[in-house]
Amino acid sequence: KQEVTQIPAALSVPEGENLVLNCSFTDSAIYNLQWFRQDPGKGLTSLLLIQSSQREQTSGRLNASLDKSSGRSTLYIAASQPGDSATYLCAGAHRGSTLGRLYFGRGTQLTVWP
Amino acid sequence: GAVVSQHPSRVICKSGTSVKIECRSLDFQATTMFWYRQFPKQSLMLMATSNEGSKATYEQGVEKDKFLINHASLTLSTLTVTSAHPEDSSFYICSARLPGQGGMMYNEQFFGPGTRLTVL
Repeated sequence: KQEVTQIPAALSVPEGENLVLNCSFTDSAIYNLQWFRQDPGKGLTSLLLIQSSQREQTSGRLNASLDKSSGRSTLYIAASQPGDSATYLCAGAHRGSTLGRLYFGRGTQLTVWP
Repeated sequence: GAVVSQHPSRVICKSGTSVKIECRSLDFQATTMFWYRQFPKQSLMLMATSNEGSKATYEQGVEKDKFLINHASLTLSTLTVTSAHPEDSSFYICSARLPGQGGMMYNEQFFGPGTRLTVL
């Protein structure tokens, strides 16, 4: 069974800091990976998708990488802002899945204070 | 980006009643939709995978007779919680898989805003 671990579980930082959020899968056979943002009581917003042929993706201040050999992904947030405060979830699709189901971590709750 | 809607956003019902939640892909056709449940401060737990025109595939431990899923068209899937009880109170989220070139190699999923179900 695929287990997804996200570290840290919570993070509180002052505005302007560069951040690293980590995600790891017990089964490294991940063929693509998504990072999401979830605000309290809301649905998920897709941030970045790393497809099977890629190793990283960038969008604005966000950069995500995937090491398929180890089943680890990192989300890098540059120059954090209070508006970045949310829970960040990683999710991977397993190579053996024919329906594309995603396996989710429990998330990192980020608080950026002014 | 692709948009997925859910209705209602919030529902409060009495124990024993049935509740239907709709999930729609607004600007694309989704052959596959997924239903998740999320408890406070927990991750998303997949309940079932819904495929247009066929029976849903339920995860182990999810009662298919209690959580009825109907994927009647390429843009609509519904989840009906039958005879709801307080322990069914949760945040229900659907997602739709965006089809693309290369089949499963492009598997970006877009999520609805969720439905907060409270059973009294």
